[in-house]
Amino acid sequence: ETGVTQTPRHLVMGMTNKKSLKCEQHLGHNAMYWYKQSAKKPLELMFVYNFKEQTENNSVPSRFSPECPNSSHLFLHLHTLQPEDSALYLCASSQWTGATYNEQFFGPGTRLTVL
Amino acid sequence: GNSVTQMEGPVTLSEEAFLTINCTYTATGYPSLFWYVQYPGEGLQLLLKATKADDKGSNKGFEATYRKETTSFHLEKGSVQVSDSAVYFCALCTGNQFYFGTGTSLTVIP
Repeated sequence: ETGVTQTPRHLVMGMTNKKSLKCEQHLGHNAMYWYKQSAKKPLELMFVYNFKEQTENNSVPSRFSPECPNSSHLFLHLHTLQPEDSALYLCASSQWTGATYNEQFFGPGTRLTVL
Repeated sequence: GNSVTQMEGPVTLSEEAFLTINCTYTATGYPSLFWYVQYPGEGLQLLLKATKADDKGSNKGFEATYRKETTSFHLEKGSVQVSDSAVYFCALCTGNQFYFGTGTSLTVIP
């Protein structure tokens, strides 16, 4: 148990569906991240939020839409996805000290399958 | 630019064998260095870290020493167990960015 929870753990959706992934951290951190992990590929950083403000968007397609209502919660809204978006989506949190980030803590991930 | 390079896998060892997984980095400034482990079906878990040169991180029998002169942070364990089978990721943080290696898969056979 890392203090970061993600729901659902597994999700199967069609290309025309709309769904959302949820992440919650119980560590009092002020930064949250979304990563995509595909088989045989490096971990891909998607979005970074620092104090609820988005500070990084790594050229992610607009069919992925993040939302960070507060420092403890992070959502990833999904719509009109493609089969190649099937992957493990990992949420992480860390503490920004003002000069650097401390280590990241990861959730268990959501295994997404797009049919 | 900043990057992490770790040895290609997969690595297969017999139980009680010695483990080394190499990791080298390129970074500006003075990064913090990390090893994460990912068990099947789970997210990444922090295994150990070191925040300055010559620091040694250690946890669960694993060790890694921050070597600035060789820009390395190799992971070692003296005697691996079947339960150590997982994917290991080397990572660095410099300022406001994290960088991860591609992961090294370890399988330990009885």
